[in-house]
Amino acid sequence: EVQLLESGGGLVQPGGSLRLSCAASGFTFSSYAMSWVRQAPGKGLEWVSGISGSGDHTYYADSVKGRFTIPRDNSKNTLYLKMNSLRVEDTAVYYCAKGRKDYGDPYNWFDPWGQGTLVTVSS
Amino acid sequence: DIQMTQSPSAMSASVGDRVTITCRASQGISNYLAWFQQKPGKVPKRLISAASSLQSGVPSRFSGSGSGTEFTLTISSLQPEDFATYYCLQHNSYPLTFGGGTKVEIK
Repeated sequence: EVQLLESGGGLVQPGGSLRLSCAASGFTFSSYAMSWVRQAPGKGLEWVSGISGSGDHTYYADSVKGRFTIPRDNSKNTLYLKMNSLRVEDTAVYYCAKGRKDYGDPYNWFDPWGQGTLVTVSS
Repeated sequence: DIQMTQSPSAMSASVGDRVTITCRASQGISNYLAWFQQKPGKVPKRLISAASSLQSGVPSRFSGSGSGTEFTLTISSLQPEDFATYYCLQHNSYPLTFGGGTKVEIK
């Protein structure tokens, strides 16, 4: 069974930093793209960042470009989101989601999702 | 970047109603589109991939259609457990983008 377990959320002041983790199990982690998706309170889903299975290619939404990075450690089956210069508008539940298999089915995106971790940016 | 315009943003419907939700892409995305359902306090669940392919275990009253720039999610006969928010996602190119969501409420 595929499982994704996020951790690392919490309360941080504006301008601060935080690192989220997503521990994956039940599939060959290094073969799959992964993404972070967030949802601000009462709002819709926003894709934040993605990374290829090998880690060679990374992608970011304009709203976080230059502030967030998305490394992965395939030896630990773990995805990260490093968030710097946090803003009040970054407050959200952050989900990690399994993407498509590199060089595999191009349609198998975002199934499943983790349970999410809440990041609150406030003074 | 590809924008996804989803409509309506909210709707009221009764059990048994036929419901149609639309997503329009700002440029052609072939069939690189998925639909998700999210209930309050829950994680999003994928219903449809490749614009029209129903996920295993999803009731057959859900269907998807479209290609290029216009897509629809149809619920043929709304059931009590279908009251939720629905999102489309384009994965044709990065940055990936979701539609704004459609909240389906009980009339």
